[in-house]
Amino acid sequence: DAGITQSPRHKVTETGTPVTLRCHQTENHRYMYWYRQDPGHGLRLIHYSYGVKDTDKGEVSDGYSVSRSKTEDFLLTLESATSSQTSVYFCAIRPGEIYEQYFGPGTRLTVT
Amino acid sequence: DQQVKQNSPSLSVQEGRISILNCDYTNSMFDYFLWYKKYPAEGPTFLISISSIKDKNEDGRFTVFLNKSAKHLSLHIVPSQPGDSAVYFCAATSTDSWGKFQFGAGTQVVVTP
Repeated sequence: DAGITQSPRHKVTETGTPVTLRCHQTENHRYMYWYRQDPGHGLRLIHYSYGVKDTDKGEVSDGYSVSRSKTEDFLLTLESATSSQTSVYFCAIRPGEIYEQYFGPGTRLTVT
Repeated sequence: DQQVKQNSPSLSVQEGRISILNCDYTNSMFDYFLWYKKYPAEGPTFLISISSIKDKNEDGRFTVFLNKSAKHLSLHIVPSQPGDSAVYFCAATSTDSWGKFQFGAGTQVVVTP
């Protein structure tokens, strides 16, 4: 158990509304990641963080922003949700000394 | 541009037999590879990894093989068990890339009695 929680676990929202997903870790790992999982695509990196206030874009960052004001929390925001952002979102952490990432339980987001 | 490809979306195998999952990559900068297992409604769980300085890594029933010249890796599960029924993702990274992984699309494994 890597001590990662995600909230909410499920959310249904309407097109055009803002949505924030939260990832919380209990072990103060430096590296945190947000992915989305879609059929036929595996997991695709949205944004990642390598420290407090240090973030960068992944391969599918359009329409998403992130913030990390504390080591333990990494927030993913959809400023104006679209139906194409319907997906399952996973947060991951990486202990700095190894390359393996450990994933949270996921958030299923539906944009109607 | 998918740099990591799992060309078999599904695999059915009998309990006790060997499961072989394949993964191809195109980026020659990748030097670290992992396999993850995912059950429905759960996050992926780390299974096994291999560095490009090795061509084989074993952990119990799981063995990963790396063929750098072919840009190909495979995961062998032997013997397969019903609890191995899951989606398996391969992932690749360059170790100087802040741990940014590229994932394959996944292979659904079904182990039948």
